[in-house]
Amino acid sequence: QVQLVESGGGEVQPGRSLRLSCATSGFTLNNYGIHWVRQAPGKGLEWVSVIWYDGSNQYYADSVKGRFTVSRYNSRSTVYLQMNSLRAEDTAVYYCARGTVRAPLDVWGQGTTVTV
Amino acid sequence: QSALTQPPSASGSPRQAVTISCTGTSSDIGAYNYVSWYQQHPGKAPKLIIYDVTKRPSGVPDRFSGSRSGNTASLTVSRLQAEDEADYYCCSYAGSNNYVFGTGTKVTVL
Repeated sequence: QVQLVESGGGEVQPGRSLRLSCATSGFTLNNYGIHWVRQAPGKGLEWVSVIWYDGSNQYYADSVKGRFTVSRYNSRSTVYLQMNSLRAEDTAVYYCARGTVRAPLDVWGQGTTVTV
Repeated sequence: QSALTQPPSASGSPRQAVTISCTGTSSDIGAYNYVSWYQQHPGKAPKLIIYDVTKRPSGVPDRFSGSRSGNTASLTVSRLQAEDEADYYCCSYAGSNNYVFGTGTKVTVL
């Protein structure tokens, strides 16, 4: 079945870096964009980033622009979120979700927790 | 991009209906037919329940329906059931490949 599994979360000091992974299965990653969405403790959902199906374009929320970088390796069925210069306000559960441009986020991973 | 505005809470008795509003601007909800709604139970990942303002994914009960008027989208849950108790979030495409979520609404089944 269609599945996304995040990993790479953990506790990190402010200013340090962390790389999250989103491993996909059950569908052809080449055909889909992948979003990252985060949720701070007790708070709502915040859209973070999207990478197009072919990796040709990446877009970011203003809150992470210049610090986070999304990339993908379709051959490995995996998408990455490189997070640099981490701040306390980046503490959240990070979800990856499948969605093409302007399409809904139709399948979500279970999330990975980042604590700064 | 500011978050879309939702009421913090809503409630209803079993078998009643509850409607949640989601207010944005002419740059997001009012500009695009790309409004979606997500249901999130505690400790779980969000689940898509409405997309493109009014469409339901396969497997989502027809008790869930979406609509829009101007810059405000709405989600109605009819014939409330205990398992509908959850947090609900709206989301809209906001142009320039940006997306914005709502502030979230906690639905309680009395």
